[in-house]
Amino acid sequence: GAVVSQHPSWVICKSGTSVKIECRSLDFQATTMFWYRQFPKQSLMLMATSNEGSKATYEQGVEKDKFLINHASLTLSTLTVTSAHPEDSSFYICSATSDNEQFFGPGTRLTVL
Amino acid sequence: DAKTTQPPSMDCAEGRAANLPCNHSTISGNEYVYWYRQIHSQGPQYIIHGLKNNETNEMASLIITEDRKSSTLILPHATLRDTAVYYCIVRVNNNAGNMLTFGGGTRLMVKP
Repeated sequence: GAVVSQHPSWVICKSGTSVKIECRSLDFQATTMFWYRQFPKQSLMLMATSNEGSKATYEQGVEKDKFLINHASLTLSTLTVTSAHPEDSSFYICSATSDNEQFFGPGTRLTVL
Repeated sequence: DAKTTQPPSMDCAEGRAANLPCNHSTISGNEYVYWYRQIHSQGPQYIIHGLKNNETNEMASLIITEDRKSSTLILPHATLRDTAVYYCIVRVNNNAGNMLTFGGGTRLMVKP
């Protein structure tokens, strides 16, 4: 199946700093990518839908100014957590659509001190 | 997308078949049943999907009842590496790349 990568796989940052997470589709082009967040012992929650060349669509309760999404090419979407705080510590997972199927990245664990 | 109901946890002995049930009584005629699993600290992994016929691949079998209101994922010979959270999801299969709505899933523990 198609491969989706994320970078970094984990990151630790200080409160108030910004963190950028990259999601790449390695062997296919993805016009649509999705960003999920997962807290410990909970299920994945969709944060936003990232569309190449247009603005992302955010789910209710997700602050678009805090979680900046850029989908500048057909193989790359980035999620920037701005002014991160400890409550933003979570497992962030992206997925990309290929042939109507979704393929997930390995996830990025963010820890905000 | 229709909602699904799964037991929160199940145990299975290594080498035995693991049968994971899922109820989706409000499924629509054009919605497919998908199964994903998530091993600890990894992204979800696609397992199998189907519309109304039973499906089988190298990982598992999917049995869908005739009324499509429930389904069962079968891992024929569970191994310790099959320990994971298994998610049953129903969604329309179209070219819009619909996002997946994850429920609570079933935490399968395969024991030696």
